[in-house]
Amino acid sequence: AQSVTQLGSHVSVSEGALVLLRCNYSSSVPPYLFWYVQYPNQGLQLLLKYTSAATLVKGINGFEAEFKKSETSFHLTKPSAHMSDAAEYFCAVSGTGSARQLTFGSGTQLTVLP
Amino acid sequence: ETGVTQSPTHLIKTRGQQVTLRCSSQSGHNTVSWYQQALGQGPQFIFQYYREEENGRGNFPPRFSGLQFPNYSSELNVNALELDDSALYLCASSTQGRVTGELFFGEGSRLTVL
Repeated sequence: AQSVTQLGSHVSVSEGALVLLRCNYSSSVPPYLFWYVQYPNQGLQLLLKYTSAATLVKGINGFEAEFKKSETSFHLTKPSAHMSDAAEYFCAVSGTGSARQLTFGSGTQLTVLP
Repeated sequence: ETGVTQSPTHLIKTRGQQVTLRCSSQSGHNTVSWYQQALGQGPQFIFQYYREEENGRGNFPPRFSGLQFPNYSSELNVNALELDDSALYLCASSTQGRVTGELFFGEGSRLTVL
């Protein structure tokens, strides 16, 4: 069964500082991995996805993530945080059944300090 | 192109009652998945519908049921509501056969059970 673990339920950074949100996965097969962002009282928006084409994946709003098979990690980074990045971020892995359902981590709340 | 729309956005029910939530999928998508997001947690897969039939189910009891209509819209029904059913219910649409499992989410229906 697939699973993801997000280390750190809350992360605070200063505006302009590096953002690093951690995600480790467990999968019996080569995984498809995703990062979603959720703003208050909204649904989830896809930031980026790993589909085995390239290990460094670039997404929207300046975010990127690197797939590291040896470390079973898929950490999300952004070189310079902006106030508008404050939100909850979820890492997810795609299942292998016909439904290919997503299994989500418990989320990381990102706070950006002025 | 219209996105995923859900209704109602908020509702309050009492224990033992029944609720129906509705979802219109994104244009061009033929598959609908439902997720439950309890407060402070990541979304959990309830079930998926494709070709008007259930195509996968998570660890939810039978009192959670659904429908998909010929126009790909969907309903989630929950009978005999319990306090723990209070959550944000997210609908997501996708295209069956797309191996990556990428989902597009609506903004959710927030259910409060008193």
